[in-house]
Amino acid sequence: QKEVEQDPGPLSVPEGAIVSLNCTYSNSAFQYFMWYRQYSRKGPELLMYTYSSGNKEDGRFTAQVDKSSKYISLFIRDSQPSDSATYLCAMSAGGYSSASKIIFGSGTRLSIRP
Amino acid sequence: DGGITQSPKYLFRKEGQNVTLSCEQNLNHDAMYWYRQDPGQGLRLIYYSQIVNDFQKGDIAEGYSVSREKKESFPLTVTSAQKNPTAFYLCASSLRKGIGTGELFFGEGSRLTVL
Repeated sequence: QKEVEQDPGPLSVPEGAIVSLNCTYSNSAFQYFMWYRQYSRKGPELLMYTYSSGNKEDGRFTAQVDKSSKYISLFIRDSQPSDSATYLCAMSAGGYSSASKIIFGSGTRLSIRP
Repeated sequence: DGGITQSPKYLFRKEGQNVTLSCEQNLNHDAMYWYRQDPGQGLRLIYYSQIVNDFQKGDIAEGYSVSREKKESFPLTVTSAQKNPTAFYLCASSLRKGIGTGELFFGEGSRLTVL
């Protein structure tokens, strides 16, 4: 079983819809949670960064972390065609050893139809 | 503008050849990383460095080598010992040294194809 599971999609929704992207994980030591957006043939860029449980909002994006369920979500409101990309979740326990490294999900490909 | 520059963007290699991918950053970040991305898989850590003249193996270091002689530079060599080198390679850096706590800043990537 992978440490981080993410549905690869593809997910296609109409412009203006609310998008929900999710990841589950198995390591209860994870406490740093991130969402990266990756456009085709580009490097990932950090969208959201949260520590421990709770919600974090930034514009149209909301990140949720439920540590009791080992489940994280990214919501995109009023989705735009420019949001079409692959979204990678990532998480780590934090620290300096190699055991603390960031683990990435395999990514969900999202397409917003105009 | 601060950022991470990877070169070349595309590279073709014949079997049995070593190739070196360049990664330079002007963000004054301490930590630098190399990841490999294959279709349908998450990013996998090849090597990381938290300080100049020091680096550590990641999950898939076999067939790769790195150096960290300068804070700004972290080149990756893909050797002929790497059995399946065709992939998209991503260099990243983070301000904080703790490899699990840093927000990663990525370069644009280098796509290596072995012919």
